[in-house]
Amino acid sequence: NAGVTQTPKFRILKIGQSMTLQCTQDMNHNYMYWYRQDPGMGLKLIYYSVGAGITDKGEVPNGYNVSRSTTEDFPLRLELAAPSQTSVYFCASSFDKGTYGYTFGSGTRLTVV
Amino acid sequence: KQEVTQIPAALSVPEGENLVLNCSFTDSAIYNLQWFRQDPGKGLTSLLLIQSSQREQTSGRLNASLDKSSGRSTLYIAASQPGDSATYLCAVRGNTGFQKLVFGTGTRLLVSP
Repeated sequence: NAGVTQTPKFRILKIGQSMTLQCTQDMNHNYMYWYRQDPGMGLKLIYYSVGAGITDKGEVPNGYNVSRSTTEDFPLRLELAAPSQTSVYFCASSFDKGTYGYTFGSGTRLTVV
Repeated sequence: KQEVTQIPAALSVPEGENLVLNCSFTDSAIYNLQWFRQDPGKGLTSLLLIQSSQREQTSGRLNASLDKSSGRSTLYIAASQPGDSATYLCAVRGNTGFQKLVFGTGTRLLVSP
């Protein structure tokens, strides 16, 4: 029972480089989310998806892009990495029924130098 | 806009004490409230999920209460142990729009032997 799997766990990027953070879930959840967590701050929503082919911006979407071609996968793309994107990134998923909770991945720690 | 506050930001107790962590939220239009545990450098582990129609949930030494009308929740930890040392996050799931999860900034707990 894998749940939500994120790769890689750690990554160091140089300013201006690009990368994709991978997220996959095996629970057939239709809702998926990307959050970032900065030290001393709560988790902030970057992007979310309510199903394959449907994505929308959260609170802090600038500098990121997402796609959702399948129910299972929800990759997060960083274009032209900046030091302000140094953070821990968490992917999560849930059923659309509001009575269900969220399941989180173990996170990706990204440093931009 | 939903805002979630957790008090205290940090708490240090000797082993064996019973303790209470507090969470307050500004908008009572919620589906549920979820308590998470986060160990340093790790992901989020769901501890308890309380539906808006419920008053409390229990799991082992943990008991979470919810008073939706006053916008408050508490997490009670009985007979604390050093292994309980972690950051505890409270999050509420709204019942409008896509029902996003909004997080507090957490309470960092240290239980000393």
